[in-house]
Order: sequence, then structure tokens, then C-alpha cells
Amino acid sequence: DGGITQSPKYLFRKEGQNVTLSCEQNLNHDAMYWYRQDPGQGLRLIYYSQIVNDFQKGDIAEGYSVSREKKESFPLTVTSAQKNPTAFYLCASSIGTGGQNTEAFFGQGTRLTVV
Amino acid sequence: QQPVQSPQAVILREGEDAVINCSSSKALYSVHWYRQKHGEAPVFLMILLKGGEQKGHEKISASFNEKKQQSSLYLTASQLSYSGTYFCGTEGDSWGKLQFGAGTQVVVTP
Repeated sequence: DGGITQSPKYLFRKEGQNVTLSCEQNLNHDAMYWYRQDPGQGLRLIYYSQIVNDFQKGDIAEGYSVSREKKESFPLTVTSAQKNPTAFYLCASSIGTGGQNTEAFFGQGTRLTVV
Repeated sequence: QQPVQSPQAVILREGEDAVINCSSSKALYSVHWYRQKHGEAPVFLMILLKGGEQKGHEKISASFNEKKQQSSLYLTASQLSYSGTYFCGTEGDSWGKLQFGAGTQVVVTP
């Protein structure tokens, strides 16, 4: 079955540590996205990638980094520079960009807690 | 800048109607609507492109006024299954930059 997989589902991190969230898709989609979801703030765009080896900052990129070395994979690293990393993180993908191509398919999310 | 949604929440009785609005300060190329149930991933409902078209999904429809940079989602004769948080997503001149609003929580009661 085609889909988008995020792992792990729950992640605990000590303050000052970097942590990487995995996102893999087998939908053959060119575009991928990372969002952060906090209560009352909806989905805020962290990074997005329209094609392999290319990505752009979203609205809240500070303290995060990404890579897009393979079409199927778009891992997100939450660095120690992110001041308030506890949140629910959602990864999404779409066929491409522009109009109908941007229908987004979401993963089940990773809940990150800093302890 | 994220699109702005209103209202933040709405409580309906089964069979009642509701409207959710989404507005942006910038020119839009497309507007998306998604629904997220508690503990689940958001699910795509529909996309509207420039041109003011209206679309439907079951008894849920939407319109897009590109001149006003606004979209509205209409929940008609609501069902219990319509409960969830609805998000509008917008794509402007920066192709590929899909931004979402804060969401509207919809509760449908028997």
C-alpha cells in the first residue's frame, strides 16, 4: 500500500540534544513538507521541498534542519537551538506543486516531548 | 503569513448548517480544505483553484473568491461524522509553499 510513514510515533528528548524525525513516502511524490502542530495554532510550515536536493524554509524554520537526498525521504532534525520543541510534528507529501498537484497526504505524526 | 480562519469553534446539532471562513492577505492560487479527527492525520476534502469555482464533497461544499482572497466551507445538514477540526490551506505566488490556518473545531451533537 502506498503511503507516508513517520517514525517514531512518540519521541522523548533531553534538553540540549538534537533529534531526527523520520518521514518516508512511497507515493512517488516530488514535494514534501514538515509542519508543527500546537493547540490553537494550527499547522505551521517548517520546511518544504519541491524536488530532490532542494528545500526552502517555511514560516518557523529556526532551530530545525532538513535534507532531501532521496525522493522518498525528508528527515527533520530538531536541534538544541529550538527553544520550545515539544509539539506534534506532521510530514506530508504531494505529487508536485501548483494547483491540483498540491493535494497533500499526511503521515500519522510524531509527538516529541522534551524532558 | 498563515491564512486566518473563523470561527475558532462551532457546535451544531445534527442536521444544522455551518459556514467556516478562510481569508488571506496575499493573492492566492489555490485553497485547500482538510479535516482532522482527534489523534489522526488531516484528510484532504477538496481543492479550489482561481476562478471562483465551487466544489462539493458529500454535503460539504466550498467556494473561492479570488478577488477577496477568501474561501468559505459550507457544512450542510451536518452529520455526526462531520465532527473534527477543519483546516484551510493556501498556496500563493510561492509555489509549493502550502500554508494552513489555525483550524476550526466543529462538534456535531445528536
